[in-house]
Amino acid sequence: EDQVTQSPEALRLQEGESSSLNCSYTVSGLRGLFWYRQDPGKGPEFLFTLYSAGEEKEKERLKATLTKKESFLHITAPKPEDSATYLCAVGTGTASKLTFGTGTRLQVTL
Amino acid sequence: KAGVTQTPRYLIKTRGQQVTLSCSPISGHRSVSWYQQTPGQGLQFLFEYFSETQRNKGNFPGRFSGRQFSNSRSEMNVSTLELGDSALYLCASSSRPLSSGSYNEQFFGPGTRLTVL
Repeated sequence: EDQVTQSPEALRLQEGESSSLNCSYTVSGLRGLFWYRQDPGKGPEFLFTLYSAGEEKEKERLKATLTKKESFLHITAPKPEDSATYLCAVGTGTASKLTFGTGTRLQVTL
Repeated sequence: KAGVTQTPRYLIKTRGQQVTLSCSPISGHRSVSWYQQTPGQGLQFLFEYFSETQRNKGNFPGRFSGRQFSNSRSEMNVSTLELGDSALYLCASSSRPLSSGSYNEQFFGPGTRLTVL
């Protein structure tokens, strides 16, 4: 069965303090890895899709990378508005669904 | 372009009742997937509909069912509600079905918060 593990569960950063969130996966036949941001009481907001090892994508202060076993979401010089839960999900050739990790709760303080 | 809409946003029901939730996908999207989100389990896949056909189903009891209409709008029904069904129910739309094995972006709606008393 596909498994997705995110770490850390929670992360508190000061504004401007860069860090990385980890998403490790054990799946059969990865077809796509997704990153979402979720604010309290709202649905997940799509950030990135990565399809193959070595791929990288950037958006403002966020950069997502992918290896054969894990993905990282790098946050450079975060601001308080980056505070949210970040979710990672995988899609495989066999499961025909997205399997989500439990997320990393990020808090950025002044 | 309008996003995914879900109605109602909040629901309070009692044990044993049934409930129907509605989801309207992004215009042109024919795939609708449903997820249950709880603090302990995270997002769990319920089922996916594409062109009015259920394409895949997660590990949930038969009390959870759904359907899709010709305009791609989808409904989810939960019968004989239990306390453990309290959750945020999310739907997501995509232009291609997950079962195609070719994953592209899934866009989520704001969810329906269901509370079972």
